[in-house]
Order: sequence, then structure tokens, then C-alpha cells
Amino acid sequence: KQEVTQIPAALSVPEGENLVLNCSFTDSAIYNLQWFRQDPGKGLTSLLLIQSSQREQTSGRLNASLDKSSGRSTLYIAASQPGDSATYLCAVRHGNNRLAFGKGNQVVVIP
Amino acid sequence: EPEVTQTPSHQVTQMGQEVILRCVPISNHLYFYWYRQILGQKVEFLVSFYNNEISEKSEIFDDQFSVERPDGSNFTLKIRSTKLEDSAMYFCASGGTGLGEKLFFGSGTQLSVL
Repeated sequence: KQEVTQIPAALSVPEGENLVLNCSFTDSAIYNLQWFRQDPGKGLTSLLLIQSSQREQTSGRLNASLDKSSGRSTLYIAASQPGDSATYLCAVRHGNNRLAFGKGNQVVVIP
Repeated sequence: EPEVTQTPSHQVTQMGQEVILRCVPISNHLYFYWYRQILGQKVEFLVSFYNNEISEKSEIFDDQFSVERPDGSNFTLKIRSTKLEDSAMYFCASGGTGLGEKLFFGSGTQLSVL
């Protein structure tokens, strides 16, 4: 069974600092990995999708890397802003037709 | 950007009642899903739907649950005889033409069973 873990569970950073969020998964046989943002009581907004053959994806201030063999992905958010405060979820699509989610990294960016 | 739409945003029901959660997926997508998130827990997979039939379901998705795509645009989740432990945020998601594509999630229906 695929298990996804996200560390740290919560973090606070001052505005302007770079954020580094970690995701690990137990089974490296994945199709892809997707990072989502979730605001309190809201839905999931897709941020980045990395296919299993890719090493990284970038969108604006966001960069996600994937090391499939070691079962890890990292989401970097450059020059954090208060609007980046949210929970960030990592999800892997693996052997069957479903996503396995981590519990999330809860981020607070302090102005 | 196209959106997945879910209604209602909140649903309160009495234990034992039936509820129907509704979703309008993105129009040209072929894969549809229901996920749920119990407060403080991980988002967990319930069911996937493709070509007008269930393609996969989790251990959670027992006979109490059913899904339907009644008219080519709506996608519904029915929960019969709700239990207290069914209280959760239910998310609908849709994906494009291939399994490797990005999933788009709706904003969810918060179901409270009293």
C-alpha cells in the first residue's frame, strides 16, 4: 500500500524567505506526482504535476522536484508572501487509478 | 481556467437519511472521481468512473454508496442511510483523456450527519 508522508507538518516563515516542503512515498512505482494547495475549508487547487519520467516542474515562484527512486519530492516556493499561507498537499498516482495523499504541510507566512 | 462545480457547498442531514452530492465536471474530461476528507485527516479516494461505469473503488465505497452520471454533464454521489462517521468534506474531481493528466478538484461539499 502506498503511504505518503509530508514533513514538516507545519511551519511559519517570515515574508520573503524561501519555503521548502518535503514529500516522501513508499512505493516508487508511480505514474506521476501532483502538488495541491488547500485553503481552510476550501477545495484543492492544483499547483504542479510531475510525470514519473520528469525530474522537475516550474511555475512562476514554484518549483517541484521528483526523485522517484528514493521516493521523494520537494516543493520550493521562492520569496514567500502572506498569500502563500495555506496547506500544501502532495499526492501520488500509483499502480491503480487513484491518488494517495499526504496529510499536508501547513504554512504560515508572517508579514 | 475551467472549473469543477459542486453543489451544495454544505449539507446537514439526520443519521439514516439519504443524501445526493452533485458535481459538474469539466466538459471534455473523461475520468471522474470522488474523494473525501474527514476533519484533520488525509484526503482519501472513494471511487473512479470512466466510460459510464465504476473503474475502481476503495474499501470505503461499500453498498451504502453509489455514483451516477445521469445526463452526460452531472456526476452524483449518493449516500444511503447516512452514519455519523460519514461526516466529511466530499470532493469531486475530473481528469482529461488520459490517466497521466492533472486532476482538477471542486471546492467540495461539507456533509454533516447529526
